[in-house]
Amino acid sequence: DQQVKQNSPSLSVQEGRISILNCDYTNSMFDYFLWYKKYPAEGPTFLISISSIKDKNEDGRFTVFLNKSAKHLSLHIVPSQPGDSAVYFCAASARGNTPLVFGKGTRLSVIA
Amino acid sequence: EAGVAQSPRYKIIEKRQSVAFWCNPISGHATLYWYQQILGQGPKLLIQFQNNGVVDDSQLPKDRFSAERLKGVDSTLKIQPAKLEDSAVYLCASSEMWETQYFGPGTRLLVL
Repeated sequence: DQQVKQNSPSLSVQEGRISILNCDYTNSMFDYFLWYKKYPAEGPTFLISISSIKDKNEDGRFTVFLNKSAKHLSLHIVPSQPGDSAVYFCAASARGNTPLVFGKGTRLSVIA
Repeated sequence: EAGVAQSPRYKIIEKRQSVAFWCNPISGHATLYWYQQILGQGPKLLIQFQNNGVVDDSQLPKDRFSAERLKGVDSTLKIQPAKLEDSAVYLCASSEMWETQYFGPGTRLLVL
């Protein structure tokens, strides 16, 4: 049973436009959410996070939105750049020292 | 600040052989994690250490996998004997607090 789902395996966006990556979760105990970015042959790199007490968190070009009632979060990248081309993983955890549960990832391609 | 170090980066072995991976976490990080990432999937937690104690090893196949964290710093993950389905990237991560985990580059294992 997949508790964190990224239903789009891939996404292509033109440079300068907005990239929107989506993530759904099923476990209502999850209260902390993270996005990681992964380049080939490297480990995942932490990008941005959000706790369940917020519905938005922004860091430069990256914004994460959380809709708790829909159990949905999204990552917006504006403007998209070719260097953003990577696999993006959504991850979630429950309160306290519990393990992260990852989605399968979405491969973003930003086309110049 | 130095990141999470892992070695080796790549390993090819034959089935039924044994293999070991090493991880050095970020200095001062009390929590260390080992993940297995199979191609096309998100990372899956194998084991979590808090200092040198095991917090969660519920998904570690204990008949063939073992891990230890020496003196609460470095950690080794061993597979003995390896099976074909163990081919994956093995990621080590560490965290100071429970929320954000920082990943190493991973060890890519191929079992023939």
